[in-house]
Amino acid sequence: QVQLVQSGAEVKKPGASVKVSCKASGYTFTNYYIHWVRQAPGQGLEWMGIINPSGGTTSYTQKFQGRVTMTRDTSTSTVYMELSSLRSEDTAVYYCARRGSGWAYHFDYWGQGALVTVSS
Amino acid sequence: QSALTQPPSASGSPGQSVTISCSGTSSDVGGYNYVSWYQQHPGKAPKLMIYEVSKRPSGVPDRFSGSKSGNTASLTVSGLQAEDEAEYYCSSYAGSNNYVFGTGTKVTVL
Repeated sequence: QVQLVQSGAEVKKPGASVKVSCKASGYTFTNYYIHWVRQAPGQGLEWMGIINPSGGTTSYTQKFQGRVTMTRDTSTSTVYMELSSLRSEDTAVYYCARRGSGWAYHFDYWGQGALVTVSS
Repeated sequence: QSALTQPPSASGSPGQSVTISCSGTSSDVGGYNYVSWYQQHPGKAPKLMIYEVSKRPSGVPDRFSGSKSGNTASLTVSGLQAEDEAEYYCSSYAGSNNYVFGTGTKVTVL
C-alpha cells in the first residue's frame, strides 16, 4: 500500500534551517510528483511547492522562493524539504503529499505530517 | 494567490445533507476543472474526497459529491453521519504550477 512516512518533530531557533524528509513506499517512486503543504496551528492548508522525483525539477510558490529547497534521493525513495531563515510564523505542520496518477492536479496520499516549531 | 473562500462552518443532523461552497476566480476555480476536496479530522492528515470537480476516489462513499458553476465549486455530503464531522478544504489548480487551498469549513453533525 502507498505510504509516505515523514521525519519527526523539530524545534528550531529563528534564523535557523530545517530539513523535513518524506520516505515513499508501495509504488514506483519516480512516477509520481510530490507536493509540500503546510498548516500553521489552527489555520488552513498552504501549498508550498512540488518536486518531480524523476528528474528532480521543482516549482515553488512565490512566497517561499529563495527560502525553500526541495530535493530527492532516488536510492532511498525519499524527498526532502528544507526551509531556511526560519521565523516564528513558520511554526506549522509540514505535509508531503503525492500528486495523483497521470496528469493530475490533486493530492491522493499524504504523509502524517511533521511539526516544526520555531522559538527562541 | 489568495485563498479560496469557504464558509467557516456548516452543520446538519444525521441523515440530512450539507453543502459547502468554495469561491475563487477565473484564474483558479473558474479556469480549470481541477478542483479537489479534502477531509481533515483533528490531528490527522487531510484525506482526498473528491478530485477533478466531481470524481470520487475508490473507497470514498457516494454520499460525497462535487460540482462547479462558474467560479464556485461545491461539496455536498448527503445522509450525514457522525464520522463526517471534520474540517473540509477545497483546492484548485491556479495555473503556472501553482495551487491554492480554501479557507476551510468545519462541518458539525448535530
